[in-house]
Amino acid sequence: GAGVSQSPSNKVTEKGKDVELRCDPISGHTALYWYRQSLGQGLEFLIYFQGNSAPDKSGLPSDRFSAERTGGSVSTLTIQRTQQEDSAVYLCASSLLEGGHRGHEQYFGPGTRLTVT
Amino acid sequence: RKEVEQDPGPFNVPEGATVAFNCTYSNSASQSFFWYRQDCRKEPKLLMSVYSSGNEDGRFTAQLNRASQYISLLIRDSKLSDSATYLCVVNREPGGGADGLTFGKGTHLIIQP
Repeated sequence: GAGVSQSPSNKVTEKGKDVELRCDPISGHTALYWYRQSLGQGLEFLIYFQGNSAPDKSGLPSDRFSAERTGGSVSTLTIQRTQQEDSAVYLCASSLLEGGHRGHEQYFGPGTRLTVT
Repeated sequence: RKEVEQDPGPFNVPEGATVAFNCTYSNSASQSFFWYRQDCRKEPKLLMSVYSSGNEDGRFTAQLNRASQYISLLIRDSKLSDSATYLCVVNREPGGGADGLTFGKGTHLIIQP
C-alpha cells in the first residue's frame, strides 16, 4: 500500500516568512511523529500525535513551531517567522501502535528539505 | 550516560567481509528495539526489529542482550549497497509514546570494493 507522503519535497523561503509542511500518514496508522534532521546530525523529535489524545509537544524548539492533525489523519507542521537555524529536513513518520512489538515500527516519509535564506 | 549510544564510525569494511556493531541503551525498562538504515539524503527505513531471542533476516542478524543493555547488528557477506548509516532505536514505553522512543545518532558504514 501507499507509504507516508510529505509535501513539498523542497521549500526555500526567506527569513521571517511562515511555512507549512504537510504529512499524509499510512492509512490506519494511529500515531504520527514529526522530526527534523540537520545536515550530518541525528533525528530530533518535535511532536507526536496519538489518536484523539492531546499531542506531545515536548520536542518543539520554540513557540514559532506548531502542528495539528485533522481528523486523525493528515498533519501540518507550521513554522512562523522562519529563522536560518530552522533549515533542516523535516521528517514525518507514522506507526500502527497496535499488535505488540510490530506496532511500534515507524515508517518515514521522504521528508521536506527546508532552506531559509 | 546517553539514552542510546552508538559508535559513529565510519566503519570501512571490504566487500564480502562480516561487520558487527553495537548500540547501548541506558534505561533497563526499554521494551522494543529496532535497527533502521539511512542512506545519504534519504529518510530512515526500518531494517529489522530486534526480538529477545535474536532474529535473522538474510545476511542480517540482530541480537539483544538485556543484562548488558545492548543490541547488536551483524552483517555477513557485505555488499556495496550496505553502505549507509545504521540507526539504533529504543522504545521504553509499552504504549509506544514518543517520549519513550529514542534514536541513536547512527553508525556510518562504508563497504569498499
